[in-house]
Amino acid sequence: DQQVKQNSPSLSVQEGRISILNCDYTNSMFDYFLWYKKYPAEGPTFLISISSIKDKNEDGRFTVFLNKSAKHLSLHIVPSQPGDSAVYFCAVNNAGNMLTFGGGTRLMVKP
Amino acid sequence: DAGVIQSPRHEVTEMGQEVTLRCKPISGHNSLFWYRQTMMRGLELLIYFNNNVPIDDSGMPEDRFSAKMPNASFSTLKIQPSEPRDSAVYFCASSPGENYGYTFGSGTRLTVV
Repeated sequence: DQQVKQNSPSLSVQEGRISILNCDYTNSMFDYFLWYKKYPAEGPTFLISISSIKDKNEDGRFTVFLNKSAKHLSLHIVPSQPGDSAVYFCAVNNAGNMLTFGGGTRLMVKP
Repeated sequence: DAGVIQSPRHEVTEMGQEVTLRCKPISGHNSLFWYRQTMMRGLELLIYFNNNVPIDDSGMPEDRFSAKMPNASFSTLKIQPSEPRDSAVYFCASSPGENYGYTFGSGTRLTVV
């Protein structure tokens, strides 16, 4: 039973446009959410996070939105750049300090 | 800060052999995690240590897998005997505490033939 789902395995976007990556979770008790970015042959790196007391957190070109009633979060990247091409994982803090990750979405930003 | 250091970066071994993966967490981080990444299952948590003590090993797939953390600066993940289905990228991560996020190592790509 997957607690965190990223239903789109891949996404292709033109440079300069907006990229929207989606994530759904099952447990309304989750209270801390994160996005990680992963390049090939590297470990995932932390990108942005949001607490359940907020519905939006912004950091430069990256914004995470949280819809608690729908148990859905999304990552918006605008404008998208070719260097953003990577696999993006959403994660939830699941009991204490454990993170449960979604399956990832491969983003390709075309020049 | 050298980050989380994993070794080896690549490991190719024959089925039935013992494999040991190593991890050095960031100094001062009291939590350490081992994850496995596969195409089918994404990133799955294998085991979580806090202050060198295993807290949750429910993700360890079988008795063939074992992990130790003898001190705050070193952890191992051992597979004995290894099988082809163990082929994956294994990541170690460390964290200073809850809601701080993790820092991942570069991973060990394991191929069992």
